[in-house]
Amino acid sequence: ETGVTQTPRHLVMGMTNKKSLKCEQHLGHNAMYWYKQSAKKPLELMFVYNFKEQTENNSVPSRFSPECPNSSHLFLHLHTLQPEDSALYLCASSQEGIGQAYEQYFGPGTRLTVT
Amino acid sequence: EDQVTQSPEALRLQEGESSSLNCSYTVSGLRGLFWYRQDPGKGPEFLFTLYSAGEEKEKERLKATLTKKESFLHITAPKPEDSATYLCAVQAGSSASKIIFGSGTRLSIRP
Repeated sequence: ETGVTQTPRHLVMGMTNKKSLKCEQHLGHNAMYWYKQSAKKPLELMFVYNFKEQTENNSVPSRFSPECPNSSHLFLHLHTLQPEDSALYLCASSQEGIGQAYEQYFGPGTRLTVT
Repeated sequence: EDQVTQSPEALRLQEGESSSLNCSYTVSGLRGLFWYRQDPGKGPEFLFTLYSAGEEKEKERLKATLTKKESFLHITAPKPEDSATYLCAVQAGSSASKIIFGSGTRLSIRP
């Protein structure tokens, strides 16, 4: 495997279900991100992990719970979601350094539908 | 308020017809401006990073430029395979959380 991988690629869940999205990066990066992409809206940054520590949580509802066990793996745990949470969820990774901007490498995304 | 605006929202060109996409930004402490390409059903693919006004970068038929207020992505003699959504993003300050994406320009190239 190369780059950034995400599983599953498609997920349909009811509002009372609990599911998890998985992301793995094979690039040796030390920062990982979760984004939400909805139709007609810009990418929304949800969570940032730098060296396995969560550095940002951009006012995301608690029904989304991230987990980063090491610098290569990132999870997004989902529970009691709402239909408006249906979107494409993208994982990305990058190098990270103070004062330096690094490009991000994205996975293919998980298309989530909440029924 | 930090903001990134892309225009036009959609652009249809004939194969070989050159044009430019615009990304206007208002941020404090720009660290870098990024261009990405996104194909339907896929994640964004990195194209360029620009760090300071006056900087230019090229890749095949694409050329990105940067001023203090905006960036342009010039497409020269495009081909149908250049059809995609082009995203602009800026990083402000030293924190990774200050990454702001524009809404994108949906480019369609007709054969």
